[in-house]
Amino acid sequence: GAVVSQHPSRVICKSGTSVKIECRSLDFQATTMFWYRQFPKKSLMLMATSNEGSKATYEQGVEKDKFLINHASLTLSTLTVTSAHPEDSSFYICSAEAGTNYNEQFFGPGTRLTVL
Amino acid sequence: GDSVTQMEGPVTLSEEAFLTINCTYTATGYPSLFWYVQYPGEGLQLLLKATKADDKGSNKGFEATYRKETTSFHLEKGSVQVSDSAVYFCALSEGLYSGGSNYKLTFGKGTLLTVNP
Repeated sequence: GAVVSQHPSRVICKSGTSVKIECRSLDFQATTMFWYRQFPKKSLMLMATSNEGSKATYEQGVEKDKFLINHASLTLSTLTVTSAHPEDSSFYICSAEAGTNYNEQFFGPGTRLTVL
Repeated sequence: GDSVTQMEGPVTLSEEAFLTINCTYTATGYPSLFWYVQYPGEGLQLLLKATKADDKGSNKGFEATYRKETTSFHLEKGSVQVSDSAVYFCALSEGLYSGGSNYKLTFGKGTLLTVNP
């Protein structure tokens, strides 16, 4: 149980376009989902906390207008990278919090974004 | 703010060798501590956790003890296998047990472990 999927697994886009990444909890409901960015040889950096039915909470330094997050249901959160630039190329990972196990997050497999 | 420092890799061991990956943390409250593992091409998986001082988390032969006095949570395994090759992340969360309002995770930079046959 507690499976989280991400789609797409990898995407290549042109500079200036927008890219949407989906994060789904497949067998549980997730009131809270998290979006991370992972740089090569670096840790995961939390970008934002997404709560179902309310606005996302962004970490300091993360542009909310550039990284749009929508958590429309208890099983789906989306991250849209708007007007993508090469510096946005990265590995984006989501996680979902299972309400029955405090402090436990289940992670998706990640999405590799490459902006040309 | 909270932070996690773990030994930098890469770590290369022979099969059946003893493994230690050091992890220390700084936190304002009483965090829960975690080790996550990321196998090649896969997402992070929770390996083990400890929620209070002196707790020992264990799973798949791996162990880590929550040491409040040294603010450490070192990962150990007595005999590693080739299949243990992965990136290991130490993390903390100042969540429910610390009165936090959410369960944000703060990660270390990860340690790449390679086990050779």
